[in-house]
Amino acid sequence: GENVEQHPSTLSVQEGDSAVIKCTYSDSASNYFPWYKQELGKRPQLIIDIRSNVGEKKDQRIAVTLNKTAKHFSLHITETQPEDSAVYFCAASTNAGKSTFGDGTTLTVKP
Amino acid sequence: DAGVTQSPTHLIKTRGQQVTLRCSPISGHKSVSWYQQVLGQGPQFIFQYYEKEERGRGNFPDRFSARQFPNYSSELNVNALLLGDSALYLCASGAGWSTDTQYFGPGTRLTVL
Repeated sequence: GENVEQHPSTLSVQEGDSAVIKCTYSDSASNYFPWYKQELGKRPQLIIDIRSNVGEKKDQRIAVTLNKTAKHFSLHITETQPEDSAVYFCAASTNAGKSTFGDGTTLTVKP
Repeated sequence: DAGVTQSPTHLIKTRGQQVTLRCSPISGHKSVSWYQQVLGQGPQFIFQYYEKEERGRGNFPDRFSARQFPNYSSELNVNALLLGDSALYLCASGAGWSTDTQYFGPGTRLTVL
């Protein structure tokens, strides 16, 4: 089955710096790659997603890149703010209706 | 996303009991997926239902079952509860199925004693 590895597990940056979180997946049939932000005690919130026919997508300070050949995708957050502190999850989904999540990255932005 | 509702919010059961969790998707959404999230880990896919039919199943034992009703709401049932079933159970709804964007509900916190 699909396996999604996410790195790093924890990431600490200074306010204003950039943060990068990387994920790799194993199932070449995966064609949808969402990223979620989960604050303590709350539900995962979709922050950005990318489909397999696109290599990069941006939304203000957030961007995602996808390399289908390498089965690798990354989340980039620029100009980080303390409110960006949370756990971030990547996921890979196939047309078979199955989504596989990474184990999460705890991002801490120090003021 | 705020439109996905789940009940109950919290639940405490003992080993061997059975539990039913409920989810109502966003109005107009026809897909419901269920996930189990153990503390410190990412959500693990359990089921996806679309138009009342099972469209995807994760690696969970047969003690886990689900169904979707004509109004697209869904129930997740877990029989013969084990201590290891303690987790946050999340429901996500989508307009379509498979790789459509999903929106999560607040979850049901299940504790098995």
